[in-house]
Amino acid sequence: GALVYQYPRRTICKSGTSMRMECQAVGFQATSVAWYRQSPQKTFELIALSTVNSAIKYEQNFTQEKFPISHPNLSFSSMTVLNAYLEDRGLYLCGARDEGSERLFFGHGTKLSVL
Amino acid sequence: QQKVQQSPESLIVPEGGMASLNCTFSDRNSQYFWWYRQHSGEGPKALMSIFSNGDKKEGRFTAHLNKASLHVSLHIKDSQPSDSALYFCAVSKGTQVVGQLTFGRGTRLQVYA
Repeated sequence: GALVYQYPRRTICKSGTSMRMECQAVGFQATSVAWYRQSPQKTFELIALSTVNSAIKYEQNFTQEKFPISHPNLSFSSMTVLNAYLEDRGLYLCGARDEGSERLFFGHGTKLSVL
Repeated sequence: QQKVQQSPESLIVPEGGMASLNCTFSDRNSQYFWWYRQHSGEGPKALMSIFSNGDKKEGRFTAHLNKASLHVSLHIKDSQPSDSALYFCAVSKGTQVVGQLTFGRGTRLQVYA
C-alpha cells in the first residue's frame, strides 16, 4: 500500500536555530507534495506545494527564505525551518499525491517545539 | 478565499450510535470533498471522498453532498470507540493541484463504551 514516512517525529530546537524534516513516499510516486503546518489548535495552513519538475509554490505568509524545500525525486522531499521561533511551533505535515490517484497521503508529521 | 466550517466542534456518542458531522464551504466552484480522520499523535488519513451530489456509502460511513447548499456531511453508523478521533472536512477545486485542499477546523468525536 501507499505510505508516507516523515521524520523526525518530534524535535525540539532552541529559538533562532534551524531544523530539517524529511518525507519519504513508499509504494507510490509522489509527483506532488504539499507541506502543511497544523497549529496547536489543530488548524491547517498550507506552506507550499511542490511538484516534480516545476517550481515550488509558496503560500502567502510563507517564503522560501524561511522554509526552503527540496523535492529531488518521486519518493523524497525535505523542508527546513530556518531561524525557528515560538510562532513556528506546530505539527508539520507532508502530504503526497501520486499523479494517478485522487488521494493525498499524509505522514505522521514532525512536531516542532521551540524553546 | 475558500472558507470551510465544521460543526459541531465536538461530539459525544454512545457505542453503536450514529455520529453526524457537518461541513459548509464558501466557494461554489469547489469540486472535490474529502473527509480525513486524525487520531492522536498521527497525521490525518483520508477516510472517503465525494465528488457528486447525493450519498456515498462505504461500510459504516456515509458522506452526503449538496453543492447547491454548499454542504457536505459525514454520518458514522454503529459508532465504535476506535472511531474516536478528530475529523476534518477538506475541500478542493480539483485534484490536479493538491495544494488547493482547504481544511476545516475539525470535529472531535468521542465514542464511549
